[in-house]
Amino acid sequence: AQTVTQSQPEMSVQEAETVTLSCTYDTSESNYYLFWYKQPPSRQMILVIRQEAYKQQNATENRFSVNFQKAAKSFSLKISDSQLGDTAMYFCASPIRGAQKLVFGQGTRLTINP
Amino acid sequence: DTGVSQNPRHKITKRGQNVTFRCDPISEHNRLYWYRQTLGQGPEFLTYFQNEAQLEKSRLLSDRFSAERPKGSFSTLEIQRTEQGDSAMYLCASSLLGTHTGELFFGEGSRLTVL
Repeated sequence: AQTVTQSQPEMSVQEAETVTLSCTYDTSESNYYLFWYKQPPSRQMILVIRQEAYKQQNATENRFSVNFQKAAKSFSLKISDSQLGDTAMYFCASPIRGAQKLVFGQGTRLTINP
Repeated sequence: DTGVSQNPRHKITKRGQNVTFRCDPISEHNRLYWYRQTLGQGPEFLTYFQNEAQLEKSRLLSDRFSAERPKGSFSTLEIQRTEQGDSAMYLCASSLLGTHTGELFFGEGSRLTVL
C-alpha cells in the first residue's frame, strides 16, 4: 500500500525560530506533485506548498520551503521566521493512481510559542 | 468563488439514527472527494466522484454509508444506523480534472458526534 509517514507527532518552537517538519512517502507514480497542507484549530485545511517531482529545484513560498529528496522519497517542510499564526496541524500528502486521489500522513501538531 | 461549502458544520445524534451531510464544491470543479478525519489523525479517503459518477469507494465505507452526486453538482453523504465509531470529521474536497497537480480544495468539514 502506498503510504505517507510523518514521524513527528508534535513539535514546538519559539516565535521567529526555524522549524522543519519531516515526511516520507511511497508512491509508484512517475510524475506527481507532493503537498503540504495546514489545518489551523477548528478551521479548514489549506494548501501551504506543492512540489513537482520532476523539478529539481525545491519549491519556496515566502517563509515556507521544501527539501525534496526524490531518491529517498523524502519531502520536508521548513518554516522560517515562524509566527504565532503558523500554529496548526500540518499534513504531508502524496498522490496515488494517477493523481486521482491523495493519501495523507498522520500529521504534525506544530505549536509556535510567544 | 465561494469555495467548498459543507453543511451542517456540526451534528450530534443518537446511536442508530441516520444522518446526511451535504457538500457544495467549487462550481467548475468536476471531481469531488469525501474524507474522514478522526481526532489527531490525517484525513482518510472514503470515496470520490467525477461528475456524477462514483469512481472509487474505500473499504472504510461500509454498507451503512452511501454517497451521491446527482447531476454532478453537490454531493450528499448519508450514514445509516450510526454507531459511536462513526464519530469523526467528514471532509469534502473538490478538484478540477485536467489540472495535473491533483491539488484538493477542502471545505470546513462536518463534525459528527454519535452518542
